[in-house]
Amino acid sequence: AQTVTQSQPEMSVQEAETVTLSCTYDTSESDYYLFWYKQPPSRQMILVIRQEAYKQQNATENRFSVNFQKAAKSFSLKISDSQLGDAAMYFCAYRSARWTGNQFYFGTGTSLTVIP
Amino acid sequence: DAGVIQSPRHEVTEMGQEVTLRCKPISGHNSLFWYRQTMMRGLELLIYFNNNVPIDDSGMPEDRFSAKMPNASFSTLKIQPSEPRDSAVYFCASSYREGSYEQYFGPGTRLTVT
Repeated sequence: AQTVTQSQPEMSVQEAETVTLSCTYDTSESDYYLFWYKQPPSRQMILVIRQEAYKQQNATENRFSVNFQKAAKSFSLKISDSQLGDAAMYFCAYRSARWTGNQFYFGTGTSLTVIP
Repeated sequence: DAGVIQSPRHEVTEMGQEVTLRCKPISGHNSLFWYRQTMMRGLELLIYFNNNVPIDDSGMPEDRFSAKMPNASFSTLKIQPSEPRDSAVYFCASSYREGSYEQYFGPGTRLTVT
């Protein structure tokens, strides 16, 4: 089974600064999808950004961008101009592109604190 | 689009009682997932269905847990009998089986077993 590792249980960032959350994964597959989810105190899981492994270009969504290093099996999330509303638990997730394996593998999460 | 709907949002029950959690996936989605989230164990996949058929239930903790999906618009997760260690937030999520689509999560059911 694939594994997803988030080595930073907690991170903090000053408001308006930039922070990078790390994620590594282990797979023998060449085609897959990667996701970052945000879980605020309301506990609702919200998709932040997705990356298809076949795409070399890093995905961006407004202040959120990723650094996808396929050879290194690394998928970090960069949050620019951090806002108080970014405070949440962030989960990295992997999904195979195979027809028979569409379950998601989630990391253990990184708790992000934004300091005013 | 109403999103994934879960009921109840909160459930408090006594040890030994039967608990039934309900989920209505997003219309058109053909995959449904049940997760359990606790501080100690994080987010755990319990079981998932494709086209209403259970594909992998290896995450179901024990025989006290069972899940059904009688049709494309409804699923249940049942715990009988419940125990205090079952206290957690239970999420239902749905997605399209194919493509790079994300999973859409429901708001979760917070279960407390006393």
